[in-house]
Amino acid sequence: QKEVEQNSGPLSVPEGAIASLNCTYSDRGSQSFFWYRQYSGKSPELIMFIYSNGDKEDGRFTAQLNKASQYVSLLIRDSQPSDSATYLCAVPRTGNTPLVFGKGTRLSVIA
Amino acid sequence: DGGITQSPKYLFRKEGQNVTLSCEQNLNHDAMYWYRQDPGQGLRLIYYSQIVNDFQKGDIAEGYSVSREKKESFPLTVTSAQKNPTAFYLCASSVTGVGEQFFGPGTRLTVL
Repeated sequence: QKEVEQNSGPLSVPEGAIASLNCTYSDRGSQSFFWYRQYSGKSPELIMFIYSNGDKEDGRFTAQLNKASQYVSLLIRDSQPSDSATYLCAVPRTGNTPLVFGKGTRLSVIA
Repeated sequence: DGGITQSPKYLFRKEGQNVTLSCEQNLNHDAMYWYRQDPGQGLRLIYYSQIVNDFQKGDIAEGYSVSREKKESFPLTVTSAQKNPTAFYLCASSVTGVGEQFFGPGTRLTVL
């Protein structure tokens, strides 16, 4: 099983809808989870992180974590065409080691 | 203005040449990382350093070398031993060896 898995997409949603992006991870000991957004040809930028079970909201973004089921999701409310990008999920490896990145989900918001 | 800089933005290399990619940060971060991104492959870790004068191999270190002589700098050399070096190279840093990483703008390397 891959360490971090994401559906590659593309996920297409109409403008104003809620986009739901999902990520599953294999290491039950993972304690922190990160979402990055990457526009085409650009470098990733951090948009959310979550450490505790439940929801964390930041503006139009909500991260949801379910450690028992080993998944983390990102909801984008009122999706805009400017949200069209690839969204990367990242999880630390065990111990004091760097993040492992999923391959990303490509989101397309249709005006 | 704090951040991570990478240079050059675009780099062209002939087969058999070594090239060095620059990465500098003024965020006072202890840890620095190099990733490679190919289409559809996600980010793959090449090398990382959690402290000056120390670094570890990542998942795809073969054909690459690094140094960490200063806290601010973590250059990556792509050697002629790297068989398929054409890719987008990303440098990142973090406060410590765990936690969120912040990325530089990247260097796109093309082998001619």
